[in-house]
Amino acid sequence: QSVVTQPPSASGTPGQRVTISCSGSSSNIGSNPVNWYQQLPGTAPNLLIYDNNQRPSGVPDRFSGSKSGTSASLAISGLQSEDEADYYCAAWDDSLKGDVFGTGTKVTVL
Amino acid sequence: VQLVQSGAEVKKPGESLKISCKASGYNFTNYWIGWVRQMPGKGLDWMGIIYAGDSDTRHSPSFQGQVTMSVDKSITTAYLQWSSLKASDTAMYYCARLIVSFSTVTTRRYFDSWGQGTLVTVSS
Repeated sequence: QSVVTQPPSASGTPGQRVTISCSGSSSNIGSNPVNWYQQLPGTAPNLLIYDNNQRPSGVPDRFSGSKSGTSASLAISGLQSEDEADYYCAAWDDSLKGDVFGTGTKVTVL
Repeated sequence: VQLVQSGAEVKKPGESLKISCKASGYNFTNYWIGWVRQMPGKGLDWMGIIYAGDSDTRHSPSFQGQVTMSVDKSITTAYLQWSSLKASDTAMYYCARLIVSFSTVTTRRYFDSWGQGTLVTVSS
């Protein structure tokens, strides 16, 4: 059972802004950078945000990340149909000496 | 950077299995490779990482003693191995390259490239 929790689902209409929360603890999010991964249906995960708010090249700037204390957020502005996917936050956990993934959030474009 | 994993496997409980992850496009021995499990319809589970340069490993407590990670530097390939499979090992397994970056403030760790996944089905 993951120690990092996300809402199971989020949704919006095309063009709307959607925000996904990620709640952890002092040993993971509170102490280490947060990364976000996008998993499109039937495919492998893909790095979306690293180091709390950095976008790899090729990731549209409508994806943004932030962190405060033991929580983090991913925002998708100008939601598009191709954004329909599962989103996972992740952070290193100093107690477990390994990464912990969040429980995942399924984003639906209405 | 490319990580290409071996094909789907169907095994019986108690059988052994070794799946592979062939890396190309970068200096294999300078990076860690991680393994991530995804059970059917579930989220991602971090299994562990192995440094390709010297085979140093870090396991998640949940997977310690359950799987073995290894690398063959000569063919830039990482492996994940089971000695006795259980039905509960049925899952998709992904390998991924781990980026580790140190600064005075923190250490950044993230998986920047992923394999396509290997589906392992264990059923009698």
